[in-house]
Amino acid sequence: AQKITQTQPGMFVQEKEAVTLDCTYDTSDPSYGLFWYKQPSSGEMIFLIYQGSYDQQNATEGRYSLNFQKARKSANLVISASQLGDSAMYFCAMREGLRDYKLSFGAGTTVTVRA
Amino acid sequence: SQTIHQWPATLVQPVGSPLSLECTVEGTSNPNLYWYRQAAGRGLQLLFYSVGIGQISSEVPQNLSASRPQDRQFILSSKKLLLSDSGFYLCAWRQTYEQYFGPGTRLTVT
Repeated sequence: AQKITQTQPGMFVQEKEAVTLDCTYDTSDPSYGLFWYKQPSSGEMIFLIYQGSYDQQNATEGRYSLNFQKARKSANLVISASQLGDSAMYFCAMREGLRDYKLSFGAGTTVTVRA
Repeated sequence: SQTIHQWPATLVQPVGSPLSLECTVEGTSNPNLYWYRQAAGRGLQLLFYSVGIGQISSEVPQNLSASRPQDRQFILSSKKLLLSDSGFYLCAWRQTYEQYFGPGTRLTVT
């Protein structure tokens, strides 16, 4: 079974608007972490934000925030005030347990910001 | 600060030829190291990870192998490449919770 599901293959957003990228996950481990990475056309993977399963508050990093709904097993990424440089592929990933810190990735969502 | 290097950046190899991709990390000691592969337009698949010198765990049965001869060096190898080995290979190291990735190697097997 898929551990990470990203149902939006591609999205368009107007510059300066907010966009929400969906991510649902599946795990039976009580200790896990959720990550979002950005991959521009250059190919590099850029770490954006992290949410631990025991964290009480939603994570925020600048214009990025993670809407963590534990009961629904969702970890949506919200990008506020979109910029042209936000155009990229975005991946949701999960780490299960506290050993090895292996990541399982979703299929990704392509975001295109329009001027 | 920590830096991760990968080389080569791009590689075109014929089917049946050997492969060696190298990853090195600077500015940290005894890092957890990871090799991922990304097929075109897809997410990343974990291939190998290492928690120390000589310690390699394989995640997916395949035509590839990995080695960690030094603390901050991680090598991905193959004796005979297949067409299906084409992809974007990324090395990563772990700092606390998050993993940081290298620039990647784009491999095309012809």
